[in-house]
Amino acid sequence: DSGVTQTPKHLITATGQRVTLRCSPRSGDLSVYWYQQSLDQGLQFLIQYYNGEERAKGNILERFSAQQFPDLHSELNLSSLELGDSALYFCASSPSGTASYNEQFFGPGTRLTVL
Amino acid sequence: DQQVKQNSPSLSVQEGRISILNCDYTNSMFDYFLWYKKYPAEGPTFLISISSIKDKNEDGRFTVFLNKSAKHLSLHIVPSQPGDSAVYFCAASAYRDTGRRALTFGSGTRLQVQP
Repeated sequence: DSGVTQTPKHLITATGQRVTLRCSPRSGDLSVYWYQQSLDQGLQFLIQYYNGEERAKGNILERFSAQQFPDLHSELNLSSLELGDSALYFCASSPSGTASYNEQFFGPGTRLTVL
Repeated sequence: DQQVKQNSPSLSVQEGRISILNCDYTNSMFDYFLWYKKYPAEGPTFLISISSIKDKNEDGRFTVFLNKSAKHLSLHIVPSQPGDSAVYFCAASAYRDTGRRALTFGSGTRLQVQP
């Protein structure tokens, strides 16, 4: 158990809908990262938050947005969903946003299926 | 453009033998490399890492080798055990101008250790 929690575990929805994925980092970790893993693909970095502020952006679509709240939990919002958005979405946390070498600790993921 | 490549999608070895997983990268700015292990229905788990100032890092049965001139790294598992059967992801990180770090992952290699 990494200490990172993600809810829900599974999510099934229809095209055009909007969903929110939630992540709680390990106790004391200030950074939260979101990754997307599509079928047979590696993990694609989407976005990083550190102590409530956006720190880095990766391959995140404009239809997607995220935020980190004062209690450090984070939410990833996916809107106007398309079939291709079906994937595993992982959240990871690390102690510092600017650590020289940060091993990130991953949650179990949320499997999103868009029908 | 895949900056981190794991060209072998799968590998099968006998218990007790050596497992060698390979990873190539193209971005010369990468200065820190990590290996993650992933079991089904779980998030990736950090395994071992190596800084670009080293060419080898060892942790128990796991050793990572880095060849910067070839932009290649490998993970050796000796001896391999059935419990090592999982998907292994190679990841790389670059210390960006603002100190932000994000991980770039390969597509993974599925290791099967036969008893």
